[in-house]
Amino acid sequence: EAQVTQNPRYLITVTGKKLTVTCSQNMNHEYMSWYRQDPGLGLRQIYYSMNVEVTDKGDVPEGYKVSRKEKRNFPLILESPSPNQTSLYFCASSTNRGRGNEQFFGPGTRLTVL
Amino acid sequence: GEDVEQSLFLSVREGDSSVINCTYTDSSSTYLYWYKQEPGAGLQLLTYIFSNMDMKQDQRLTVLLNKKDKHLSLRIADTQTGDSAIYFCAESSSGYSTLTFGKGTMLLVSP
Repeated sequence: EAQVTQNPRYLITVTGKKLTVTCSQNMNHEYMSWYRQDPGLGLRQIYYSMNVEVTDKGDVPEGYKVSRKEKRNFPLILESPSPNQTSLYFCASSTNRGRGNEQFFGPGTRLTVL
Repeated sequence: GEDVEQSLFLSVREGDSSVINCTYTDSSSTYLYWYKQEPGAGLQLLTYIFSNMDMKQDQRLTVLLNKKDKHLSLRIADTQTGDSAIYFCAESSSGYSTLTFGKGTMLLVSP
């Protein structure tokens, strides 16, 4: 089954404790992206990657890091989480070409930083 | 930068038609999308329209595009309670996968 998986689905942590949210896709997609969703603000892009070893900042990259060492994985790293990073996070992937560039979304990771 | 605007909330009765509107600013937008987010889930693509089209119909869904006014709408015919969700409008420019999303319209369908 074609899918994007994220882990963990839920996470409660404390300020300053480094964490990683994993994202994996099995569709051989070149493009992967991280978004955060906050009430009243919609989806905002954090980072994206056009292909292996190619990453770029989105609209709200501060406080986040990413890496793209393999095509299928695109982890999101919070080196020192703060309460304003409490949010719902989505990973997405798509081909760089093709019909409408449909993005496939993971199920989301709800992060709470105390 | 690019901007996509939507009304935040729409309430309709079951069986009525729903119309969700969206405006965008990027004149180079090539594809325009409607995504649906059900409670507790990620986004799923509902439909998309290429910028050289005026209309696209897919079963109960009709997308209208007014490129001159940069206005996009999604009409859902015979709206059902299962259509209750948040609907996101998004746009992308040709050759790029990055999407710009609106803030989403919450559709509430009452019996």
